[in-house]
Amino acid sequence: AQKVTQAQTEISVVEKEDVTLDCVYETRDTTYYLFWYKQPPSGELVFLIRRNSFDEQNEISGRYSWNFQKSTSSFNFTITASQVVDSAVYFCALSEYQAGTALIFGKGTTLSVSS
Amino acid sequence: DAGVTQSPTHLIKTRGQHVTLRCSPISGHKSVSWYQQVLGQGPQFIFQYYEKEERGRGNFPDRFSARQFPNYSSELNVNALLLGDSALYLCASSLPISTDTQYFGPGTRLTVL
Repeated sequence: AQKVTQAQTEISVVEKEDVTLDCVYETRDTTYYLFWYKQPPSGELVFLIRRNSFDEQNEISGRYSWNFQKSTSSFNFTITASQVVDSAVYFCALSEYQAGTALIFGKGTTLSVSS
Repeated sequence: DAGVTQSPTHLIKTRGQHVTLRCSPISGHKSVSWYQQVLGQGPQFIFQYYEKEERGRGNFPDRFSARQFPNYSSELNVNALLLGDSALYLCASSLPISTDTQYFGPGTRLTVL
C-alpha cells in the first residue's frame, strides 16, 4: 500500500539557519511521482517540485534543494539560509502511475522561522 | 493567468444539512480533483473528474458526490452533514495527462455545527 511519512511534526529554527524536512514513502509501483507542497497560513497549497521515479538527480532552486534517494525511499527537502517567510506547513506527497493522479499526502511538517 | 478559484471561502452549516462547493480550474486544465483536509492532517483525496467523468474516488461515503461541467468547472456536494465533515475542502486542477502536477485553489472552510 502507498504511504508517505513525515516524521517531523514541528521544526523551529532561527533565521539564516539551514533546515531539512524529511520524507519517506512506500509504494509497490515502479513508476511514481513525488511532490512537495507548501501551505502558508492562508491555506492554499503551493506547488514546489515534482520528481518522477526514474530521475534521481538532486535539484536546486534558489535556497531550496531536494535529495531523492530510491535506495532509502526518501525525498528530503532542504531550505538554506531560512527566512521568516518560509514559515509554513510543508507536505510531501506521492502519486502512483497505476492509481492515476490521486495524491497521497504525509501529515506535514510545520516549520517556524523566527527572526 | 488566474489560478484555481473556489467558492465560497467559508461556510457554516448544521448537522443534517446539504452543502455545495464550487471550483473553477486554471484555464486550459481539464481535470479537477477534490481533497478534504481536516485540521492538523494532510489532504485526503475525494474525487477526480476529467471530461465530466469520474476517474477516481477516495475512501469517502456516498454522501459525497461531485460532477464536472462542460466548461470544466466542478461542484462537490455533501449530503446529511456530520460534525466530522468540518474541514478545509481543496480543489486542484491539472492537465489531462495522468502524471501532471495538480495546482490547488485557496479552499473552502466548512464548519458543521
